[in-house]
Amino acid sequence: NAGVTQTPKFQVLKTGQSMTLQCAQDMNHEYMSWYRQDPGMGLRLIHYSVGAGITDQGEVPNGYNVSRSTTEDFPLRLLSAAPSQTSVYFCASSRRTGSKENQPQHFGDGTRLSIL
Amino acid sequence: AQSVTQLDSHVSVSEGTPVLLRCNYSSSYSPSLFWYVQHPNKGLQLLLKYTSAATLVKGINGFEAEFKKSETSFHLTKPSAHMSDAAEYFCVVSVGNNDMRFGAGTRLTVKP
Repeated sequence: NAGVTQTPKFQVLKTGQSMTLQCAQDMNHEYMSWYRQDPGMGLRLIHYSVGAGITDQGEVPNGYNVSRSTTEDFPLRLLSAAPSQTSVYFCASSRRTGSKENQPQHFGDGTRLSIL
Repeated sequence: AQSVTQLDSHVSVSEGTPVLLRCNYSSSYSPSLFWYVQHPNKGLQLLLKYTSAATLVKGINGFEAEFKKSETSFHLTKPSAHMSDAAEYFCVVSVGNNDMRFGAGTRLTVKP
């Protein structure tokens, strides 16, 4: 199993450009999420999905779109890149449970994005 | 709402000495608590988790953490640091629906 795979690993964009960060998992996990990591702020949740066809906003959703057409894939789209979106982006997945006990998340290696 | 405070942004220890990384949490409900480790240019890896079973939780690589409800703490410890332990550590609190809140992180430096 590859786990969670993110592409690309690095990307430089100009302000106003759009792009899609790819995320794929091969563990048949229902739950997938996108985080951004900024110095001194830990990870903040951008969007998440509890299954194919279902997405919702996290803590910092503005400027980002997501879709979940399959269980495996959860792409993150930047519609019009801004310098404030320079960050490291992590995709994660986990099993979904009906109880309040949360399953640990499996993380990809990240995409390092710079907006000039 | 839940939140996490990691009390030290940077901890430096000598190889072979104990490690203590401090975490306090705030939660309206009984939380699940996690510690993750992040090595440079890598994603986060789960060290251990607490989910209302035993209050002393053992994780990988010799780490353990103790859940203290009265102190709302979940400190991470290891008896003897190795050079390979140098990394960033994140304390995480979660209350249902996979809603996870991360602390700001503690960078651990291990000196030879």
